[in-house]
Amino acid sequence: GESVGLHLPTLSVQEGDNSIINCAYSNSASDYFIWYKQESGKGPQFIIDIRSNMDKRQGQRVTVLLNKTVKHLSLQIAATQPGDSAVYFCAETGAGNNRKLIWGLGTSLAVNP
Amino acid sequence: DGGITQSPKYLFRKEGQNVTLSCEQNLNHDAMYWYRQDPGQGLRLIYYSQIVNDFQKGDIAEGYSVSREKKESFPLTVTSAQKNPTAFYLCTTGNMDEQFFGPGTRLTVL
Repeated sequence: GESVGLHLPTLSVQEGDNSIINCAYSNSASDYFIWYKQESGKGPQFIIDIRSNMDKRQGQRVTVLLNKTVKHLSLQIAATQPGDSAVYFCAETGAGNNRKLIWGLGTSLAVNP
Repeated sequence: DGGITQSPKYLFRKEGQNVTLSCEQNLNHDAMYWYRQDPGQGLRLIYYSQIVNDFQKGDIAEGYSVSREKKESFPLTVTSAQKNPTAFYLCTTGNMDEQFFGPGTRLTVL
């Protein structure tokens, strides 16, 4: 049958503020998680990843937090800039699903100057 | 240079026609994936292949077909059975430590 699409949730922040983008993942057996950024008209770009044996990982201006108890992943962007405006996707994978990437719905981040 | 390419970048199709989207990679990865993205929505998996001569249906395989005769190539055919084919199509390859994305093909049905 025809599938019904869901529109992306939107997060709007002021330039210079910190942004927090959340993702609920589906498979408790997933052991590797990735955040991607997709700008308009382009393919997704890798931002940061985290393995299930960690609960926090920091990159340049970004931090990923993993809470396995509630199957929750978050991406924190410090001092958000206009160039951060994009759609952000989380993805999960694990041995239990034959290492296939499972994508989250995505969140649209809009940075107001 | 190593990478993954898709062609064409833009494709227009009349209703009732089959079209084939190309995806080529020279990164020597076994796994390749096709995703569809509609405006304002996330990526949805159409088909994937973990090894040459083998492929599996993803979440929205109806109206699509693929082949994997060579490691480097994973073409996607959008058939006339696909009721709403207008979308952005992304091909990816890689392992779980690193994923590479093609530039995408935007298909419009006239």
